[in-house]
Amino acid sequence: DAGVTQSPTHLIKTRGQQVTLRCSPKSGHDTVSWYQQALGQGPQFIFQYYEEEERQRGNFPDRFSGHQFPNYSSELNVNALLLGDSALYLCASSEDRPLGKLFFGSGTQLSVL
Amino acid sequence: RKEVEQDPGPFNVPEGATVAFNCTYSNSASQSFFWYRQDCRKEPKLLMSVYSSGNEDGRFTAQLNRASQYISLLIRDSKLSDSATYLCVVNPMNYGGSQGNLIFGKGTKLSVKP
Repeated sequence: DAGVTQSPTHLIKTRGQQVTLRCSPKSGHDTVSWYQQALGQGPQFIFQYYEEEERQRGNFPDRFSGHQFPNYSSELNVNALLLGDSALYLCASSEDRPLGKLFFGSGTQLSVL
Repeated sequence: RKEVEQDPGPFNVPEGATVAFNCTYSNSASQSFFWYRQDCRKEPKLLMSVYSSGNEDGRFTAQLNRASQYISLLIRDSKLSDSATYLCVVNPMNYGGSQGNLIFGKGTKLSVKP
């Protein structure tokens, strides 16, 4: 049983560019959440998708957007990249039920030059 | 005041030592609490949930004090393999669904030496 898979594992972009990160949830999971983890910080919640809609959103600008597909996989898009967007982007999936455990993927390391 | 605060460490301890981590949270309406472990350049992994009654898993004991908004993790008989960053995590609301919106502390780094 595959866990949460993310692609790519590493990415280098320049300021102003756009990036798309991808996530496939663990089998049986229908909810996908995205987190940003800057160096030396804990992960910060970006948003959560359920039933192909954004259900919750953290304190991130509109440059951060996402999508969930009918097969529950998800994409995170970041437009107009800034140097400060350099971070590890983590995808986590869970079942949509109270206390459903969160399982994280190994992340995409994004470097913005 | 930050939503979840932890001592960043690092904590450098010898094998066999007992080490305690503390964490405070600001939202008194928070619903659920966890400790996650994160190895260098890896994803966070759930270590254990934290309850007011306290819970123990082998060498690990977690405790929640809602009145003080304080969470603790105790590791007994430290092993080299316990070296990692320990993240205190709070779920600020019972959204009715899964635990998507978790609030993480910055983490406390533990290094266990031979």
